[in-house]
Amino acid sequence: TQLLEQSPQFLSIQEGENLTVYCNSSSVFSSLQWYRQEPGEGPVLLVTVVTGGEVKKLKRLTFQFGDARKDSSLHITAAQPGDTGLYLCAGGSMTGNQFYFGTGTSLTVIP
Amino acid sequence: ETGVTQSPTHLIKTRGQQVTLRCSSQSGHNTVSWYQQALGQGPQFIFQYYREEENGRGNFPPRFSGLQFPNYSSELNVNALELDDSALYLCASSLKRGSFYGYTFGSGTRLTVV
Repeated sequence: TQLLEQSPQFLSIQEGENLTVYCNSSSVFSSLQWYRQEPGEGPVLLVTVVTGGEVKKLKRLTFQFGDARKDSSLHITAAQPGDTGLYLCAGGSMTGNQFYFGTGTSLTVIP
Repeated sequence: ETGVTQSPTHLIKTRGQQVTLRCSSQSGHNTVSWYQQALGQGPQFIFQYYREEENGRGNFPPRFSGLQFPNYSSELNVNALELDDSALYLCASSLKRGSFYGYTFGSGTRLTVV
């Protein structure tokens, strides 16, 4: 059972387009992270958001943590082929001893 | 600074056997966690170790067990292997307990149970 549901599950877009990935849950998290995973590799941390309503920008990527700390979004501007990969959100439990990954969004950016 | 290393990279076992997977955490990281990732899905949290003690566990049966050593390296042991245990097993280390600091992942061990 995965507490975090991501949408869409699959996304195929042309280079230069914008996209948004959503991560939703009914649970409150102490922090939420986004990772990108490429085939045959482990996930790589992109960002950690901690405060409800927090927005962080990393070049063309914008991350937002929901006010209630139950959901998050990842927006990519002007997608590039190098952005291709599996995007995973992940949340830490309020007790600090559990960590949950989302269902994943597989992104393909076509040149 | 070295990252997280896992061994072996690939493993094939027979149903009913036991397996041990190993993980060396990133230098300075005292927290290690293990995950099971089925093909096309997000990783599932198995358990976490902090200073050689298990301090968090996901929804996995007791035949999944682990150890953390004084140098913070770790092992994942799975007894009585089942076909459904076939997956990528990921190890991750963190600077401190708690998710605020982010996790550094290894490349995983691909386990196939036949």
